[in-house]
Amino acid sequence: KQEVTQIPAALSVPEGENLVLNCSFTDSAIYNLQWFRQDPGKGLTSLLLIQSSQREQTSGRLNASLDKSSGRSTLYIAASQPGDSATYLCAVNGGNKLVFGAGTILRVKS
Amino acid sequence: GAGVSQTPSNKVTEKGKYVELRCDPISGHTALYWYRQSLGQGPEFLIYFQGTGAADDSGLPNDRFFAVRPEGSVSTLKIQRTERGDSAVYLCASSPGGLSAGDTQYFGPGTRLTVL
Repeated sequence: KQEVTQIPAALSVPEGENLVLNCSFTDSAIYNLQWFRQDPGKGLTSLLLIQSSQREQTSGRLNASLDKSSGRSTLYIAASQPGDSATYLCAVNGGNKLVFGAGTILRVKS
Repeated sequence: GAGVSQTPSNKVTEKGKYVELRCDPISGHTALYWYRQSLGQGPEFLIYFQGTGAADDSGLPNDRFFAVRPEGSVSTLKIQRTERGDSAVYLCASSPGGLSAGDTQYFGPGTRLTVL
């Protein structure tokens, strides 16, 4: 059974810092891995999707890497801003469903 | 264009009652998914439809939960004899094909269910 773990559970940083969120998964047989953002009381917004054959994806200040063999992914956020405050969820695609981690709650202080 | 919509946005019911939650996927998306998110947790898979049929219902917790998608578009999640432990946010997502095709999922805003 696929299990996804995210570290840290919560993170508070001053504005402008670069930061790294970590995701690990137990079964490397995945189609892809996705990072989502969730704002309080809202649905999920897809940030980056990395196919299993890829090593990384970039979108603006966000960069996500994938090491499928070791079961790890990282989300790097450059020059953090207060608007980045949200919960970040990692999800692995096993074919019929996404399996999510519990998320990292990020607070960026101005 | 229009995204995934869910109604109602909030539902409060009493223990033992029956509830229906509705999902309108993005037009043309053949795959539809239901997830349940408890406080402080990530979403957990409930059921996946490809067209009108349930391709994977392995996440439904027990036989009080049932979902349909009779015409391959709108889906309804039905919960009988609700229990307090059913309180959660129920999320719906759709994708153009299926996850095995590498498609991304587009999520609705969710229905917050509270069972008193």
